[in-house]
Amino acid sequence: QSALTQPASVSGSPGQSITISCTGTSSDVGGYNYVSWYQQHPGKAPKLMIYDVSNRPSGVSNRFSGSKSGNTASLTISGLQAEDEADYYCSSYTSSGSQVFGGGTKLTVL
Amino acid sequence: EVQLVESGGGLVQPGRSLRLSCAASGFTFDDYAMHWVRQAPGKGLEWVSGISWNSGSIGYADSVKGRFTISRDNAKNSLYLQMNSLRAEDTALYYCAKDKEPVTRGPIDYWGQGTLVTVSS
Repeated sequence: QSALTQPASVSGSPGQSITISCTGTSSDVGGYNYVSWYQQHPGKAPKLMIYDVSNRPSGVSNRFSGSKSGNTASLTISGLQAEDEADYYCSSYTSSGSQVFGGGTKLTVL
Repeated sequence: EVQLVESGGGLVQPGRSLRLSCAASGFTFDDYAMHWVRQAPGKGLEWVSGISWNSGSIGYADSVKGRFTISRDNAKNSLYLQMNSLRAEDTALYYCAKDKEPVTRGPIDYWGQGTLVTVSS
């Protein structure tokens, strides 16, 4: 149950696009289309932003999109806004029937 | 409105036990799987345990297997986490979380506000 690998930090200017990667193995990310992304602001509970690789829950901006290729999933945020500054976590279902999270990525909007 | 309210956290000595509870409301509790997820101070999210809608499928992280036990009472709309043999590294904010599905494949679509567990002598 090793954590999924995410970059520790990414940054971008308002209006730009950024992509956060999430690398696992064939036993998790690569084996299932059950990858999710969560946004967490300081002192707050996480919020679901993307599920099943590329689906957006109702109410989440279409500036957020997800994709997957092989063992790596990606979250793209387009038209960056100040309120997007937060920590982002990916997660995946695993072959052992558990869930595994990534280490988290801190997004800074310059 | 979905509400998940955790309770039972606190300061406990290493080796002792603690039982967390989560009261759920605003949805049909026995239609969905549930999870416990923790976050150590200043650290990332760590999945702890999950339980399917009917308790037929249960899973644990390797870090807590054999020490923690998850359970649910659908009649009381409640989720529990019995934590034994607690260690300093179990210190974290523990979130109760609802799955979008009846089985524990994710995603987690609702989270509580968490209950803090501190393991220290």
